[in-house]
Amino acid sequence: NAGVTQTPKFQVLKTGQSMTLQCAQDMNHEYMSWYRQDPGMGLRLIHYSVGAGITDQGEVPNGYNVSRSTTEDFPLRLLSAAPSQTSVYFCASSYRVAGMNTEAFFGQGTRLTVV
Amino acid sequence: GDSVTQMEGPVTLSEEAFLTINCTYTATGYPSLFWYVQYPGEGLQLLLKATKADDKGSNKGFEATYRKETTSFHLEKGSVQVSDSAVYFCALRVGTGRRALTFGSGTRLQVQP
Repeated sequence: NAGVTQTPKFQVLKTGQSMTLQCAQDMNHEYMSWYRQDPGMGLRLIHYSVGAGITDQGEVPNGYNVSRSTTEDFPLRLLSAAPSQTSVYFCASSYRVAGMNTEAFFGQGTRLTVV
Repeated sequence: GDSVTQMEGPVTLSEEAFLTINCTYTATGYPSLFWYVQYPGEGLQLLLKATKADDKGSNKGFEATYRKETTSFHLEKGSVQVSDSAVYFCALRVGTGRRALTFGSGTRLQVQP
């Protein structure tokens, strides 16, 4: 079972560079989300998607774009990286059973450093 | 808005000691409550959950009871092991429509042999 797969695991960017963090899940989950994890702040929601073609902003969306062209994939784009975006990024997915939301399944994370 | 408050760490214990990590919450509706664990270098894994008041979640010797009257969901384990060393996150989700989780800041547990 692959579950939620994130690539790359580590990345160093220069200020102003762009990149895409990849996230794929093979569980046919309709809901996917991106969080960033910063010391002492827990995880904060960046963007989320309730299905293919539908995305919305979370708590800290500025500087990030997302798209959801398929159920499986939910890439996160940094258009112009800034040092404040140095963080660990987690992708998660979940689904519903009998109208109740399941717990979130997380990828292993991408550690991003912007210099 | 919704929020989760956890005790600050790190918490350092000797093997076989009793563990309590406090978690309290504020929520606009009736939340489901979760504990996630993050082992070094890994992503978050669900440890246990409770979906309504007075429910007790349990897994791997860990327990937490959903206390609506005190808005708490404290994590406990009777005898910790070195392998329990990790960061523990308390989280909530309100209602069935909203699927995003609200996390606490995490508590690092270090268990010494």
